Amino acid sequence: GQNIDQPTEMTATEGAIVQINCTYQTSGFNGLFWYQQHAGEAPTFLSYNVLDGLEEKGRFSSFLSRSKGYSYLLLKELQMKDSASYLCAALDSNYQLIWGAGTKLIIKP
Amino acid sequence: IAGITQAPTSQILAAGRRMTLRCTQDMRHNAMYWYRQDLGLGLRLIHYSNTAGTTGKGEVPDGYSVSRANTDDFPLTLASAVPSQTSVYFCASSDSATNTDTQYFGPGTRLTVL
Repeated sequence: GQNIDQPTEMTATEGAIVQINCTYQTSGFNGLFWYQQHAGEAPTFLSYNVLDGLEEKGRFSSFLSRSKGYSYLLLKELQMKDSASYLCAALDSNYQLIWGAGTKLIIKP
Repeated sequence: IAGITQAPTSQILAAGRRMTLRCTQDMRHNAMYWYRQDLGLGLRLIHYSNTAGTTGKGEVPDGYSVSRANTDDFPLTLASAVPSQTSVYFCASSDSATNTDTQYFGPGTRLTVL
């Protein structure tokens, strides 16, 4: 079967760094997406990885290891506005997104 | 308008009633999708459309139907609502369904079936 695993909830301190992990098992693989979703709002695109390695985009970076079926999202210099759920989604061989349940990130001052 | 709009924002519906959720995009995207989001679960695909005039079933299609008469609109119909269809419904679109294009989401419809 197809499956995405990510932690349910994480807590971090304003100004710190946090890493949100995601493991995936899919029928074929065409890349890994990260989305941010604030409470009561729509998911918004953060990053896409298809090759192994780290992609940096400002305070946010995303890493992929295809051989391990593993990705992480790294958030630096945390701000209160980063309090949100972070959704990991893998694109399978049919180009359909398989979604994780999301990681709720709580930022404390 | 810019992006994707959904209507209504929220709705309370009696079981057994028929309901259509509306979705319109102005990005001229070929592909459109309907998801439901439930607490503790990932987004689940209900139906999708690769291009105007075609539709397909997703992971949880039972009890739902869609149509794609034109590029911009992709309504989702619940023929006879049941309480298990209480959820937040998101419409999304992407330039193409057969490559790695990013999906963009509408603001969602919160539906409660009593």
